[in-house]
Amino acid sequence: VLTQSPGTLSLSPGEGATLSCRASQSVYSNSLAWYQQKPGQAPRLLIYDASSRATGIPDRFSGSGSGTDFTLTISRLEPEDFAVYYCHHYGSLPRAFGQGTKVEIK
Amino acid sequence: EVQLAESGGGLIQPGGSLRLSCAASGFTFDRHAMAWVRHTPGKGLEWLSSMSPGGVNTYSAGSVKGRFIISRDSSKSTVYLQLNSLRADDTAVYFCARGSEKRQLVYDFWGQGTLVTVSS
Repeated sequence: VLTQSPGTLSLSPGEGATLSCRASQSVYSNSLAWYQQKPGQAPRLLIYDASSRATGIPDRFSGSGSGTDFTLTISRLEPEDFAVYYCHHYGSLPRAFGQGTKVEIK
Repeated sequence: EVQLAESGGGLIQPGGSLRLSCAASGFTFDRHAMAWVRHTPGKGLEWLSSMSPGGVNTYSAGSVKGRFIISRDSSKSTVYLQLNSLRADDTAVYFCARGSEKRQLVYDFWGQGTLVTVSS
């Protein structure tokens, strides 16, 4: 089970964001990804292997962590970054998603 | 250009069945794992099922095991999800997703989704 916090983050453009994802058991081989989803759109891969940026993802997005605690950091929020973010454990079954963190404009 | 196009969603009565299709193009289909994920406003994203590149291995979430069946047809570059014994809580937007070449269980391209509504 993956638990994300906070549920909602209210921030202004230009501010930094820190999103947390905690696993109930140690994540095998740091097999943890982060996805961004905007209303009415498909999810978009941001980070895989806990800290590797996917192709085309700006460097203001970074991932860190190991074991059971992982973090997605957005260094300076751009208007297009306001969305819901999900962590995803893919190393073993069940390949669960967290419940999501909504980053909204303050 | 990589494209995934889902179809087959719609309104279905509880207990009914549907088959979702996802037509892939723009990449070598047989080199990639494929998966189905659904989204509901209340629960967010839920991983449902995935199939290895050759179709040998399939995996499903416990919540849908025995009811949802994933399959693929390489000749048509299409992956399917058969939905059986549908319930109201299966109402969701269903996405297909492609496993990346480097990490087959990381989904680097997604379709736009197809809506399934289970209601009498």
